[in-house]
Amino acid sequence: DGGITQSPKYLFRKEGQNVTLSCEQNLNHDAMYWYRQDPGQGLRLIYYSQIVNDFQKGDIAEGYSVSREKKESFPLTVTSAQKNPTAFYLCASSISSGVAGSEQYFGPGTRLTVT
Amino acid sequence: GNSVTQMEGPVTLSEEAFLTINCTYTATGYPSLFWYVQYPGEGLQLLLKATKADDKGSNKGFEATYRKETTSFHLEKGSVQVSDSAVYFCALSDRDTGFQKLVFGTGTRLLVSP
Repeated sequence: DGGITQSPKYLFRKEGQNVTLSCEQNLNHDAMYWYRQDPGQGLRLIYYSQIVNDFQKGDIAEGYSVSREKKESFPLTVTSAQKNPTAFYLCASSISSGVAGSEQYFGPGTRLTVT
Repeated sequence: GNSVTQMEGPVTLSEEAFLTINCTYTATGYPSLFWYVQYPGEGLQLLLKATKADDKGSNKGFEATYRKETTSFHLEKGSVQVSDSAVYFCALSDRDTGFQKLVFGTGTRLLVSP
């Protein structure tokens, strides 16, 4: 089955620690995205990547970092500089980031709790 | 900038009732419009989409029509089921830029009781 996997589903960390969230897709999509979801809010874009070895900041990139060394993988690191890291993180992919109307496919999400 | 406004929830209905969730947008250019659904603890799934004015998207009994004159994309279903209980997100993408960025509304929670 083709799709997007995110692991782990739940993640707990102490304040001050960096943590990396995994995202893998086997859809052969060029573009990948990371969103953050907070209660009662829509999704906000953290980072996106249009092709391998290239990525750009989204609307709320501060305190986060990413890499795109392989087409199928787009890990997100939540650093200690992120002031409010507790949230639900969603990874998505699409065939291309430049095609109008192309849908984004979402993974099941990782719920990160930092105490 | 581009934005999406959805009606606040929760929307509470009895099974077999008619559903409308309002969505209006502000955008430059000619965006594509989407409805996504999120079941508890899961990621988002595309429910339907429309890419140009007067297009109607439909799926699983849900429908929405792209109305450019009223900048709206309201979601409707004639008879809801308990299994439709979820959070529904309206979103737009701006096709005038080289990158398709999705802008989401805040979501509307639907609760359907037997």
